[in-house]
Amino acid sequence: KAGVTQTPRYLIKTRGQQVTLSCSPISGHRSVSWYQQTPGQGLQFLFEYFSETQRNKGNFPGRFSGRQFSNSRSEMNVSTLELGDSALYLCASSPQPDVNTEAFFGQGTRLTVV
Amino acid sequence: GENVEQHPSTLSVQEGDSAVIKCTYSDSASNYFPWYKQELGKRPQLIIDIRSNVGEKKDQRIAVTLNKTAKHFSLHITETQPEDSAVYFCAASKLTGGGNKLTFGTGTQLKVEL
Repeated sequence: KAGVTQTPRYLIKTRGQQVTLSCSPISGHRSVSWYQQTPGQGLQFLFEYFSETQRNKGNFPGRFSGRQFSNSRSEMNVSTLELGDSALYLCASSPQPDVNTEAFFGQGTRLTVV
Repeated sequence: GENVEQHPSTLSVQEGDSAVIKCTYSDSASNYFPWYKQELGKRPQLIIDIRSNVGEKKDQRIAVTLNKTAKHFSLHITETQPEDSAVYFCAASKLTGGGNKLTFGTGTQLKVEL
C-alpha cells in the first residue's frame, strides 16, 4: 500500500507570491490534516479535511487555506508569502475523523521563502 | 484549546541506559495520546499510543504511562540503542468533535551515545 505522498518536496518562493502544496492520502483514507513544522514552534496544526469539508482549523491567518477533492486528495494554499512561512509542511492521513487511530505522515514539502 | 508541554528538550544517554520523556496536557477531555519518532530528514512515525481508559502500554523496549488525574503521560525507552537517536514528539487529541487534530509537544532530541 502506497504511503502518503506530498508534492513537491522542495519549493523556493519569493515574498508576496503564493504557493500550492499537494497531498495524496493512503488509499482508503478519507481524513487529511496539515501541519506546519518549524524549529522554534514544533508541529502546529493547520487544518483538517474530511469528505471535502474543513472540520477543524488551527490558529493561522486567512492566508492559509486548503481544500479536499472527492478522491480525498488535498491541497493547501498560502497567499502573500512571508519570510516566516518558511517551514516543513506535513500532511497526515487517517481512515476517518472522530476515531483516534494512527495518523500517517507524508515526507513533507520544504518551503523556503526568500 | 489544548496545550501540551514536553520535557526535556534534549536528552543524552549512554547506550543500554533508559530514557524517559514527560508530557503534560491541559484539556481534561483529551483521551488519545500518541508518541511520534522523527529521524533527521524523515517523516514523523508513530511508535506507540495510549488511550485514556488504559494506564500503561508496552511494546518491547518502549512503554507509555498515563496519569489522567495529573494530566501527564510519559514515554519510557529501555536498553537504548544508537538507532533510538531521533526527535520524539508527544501529542494529545480527543474524540467527538476533535477529529484528528493532534496537539504536539515541542519535541525531545534524544541522543544515544556509544
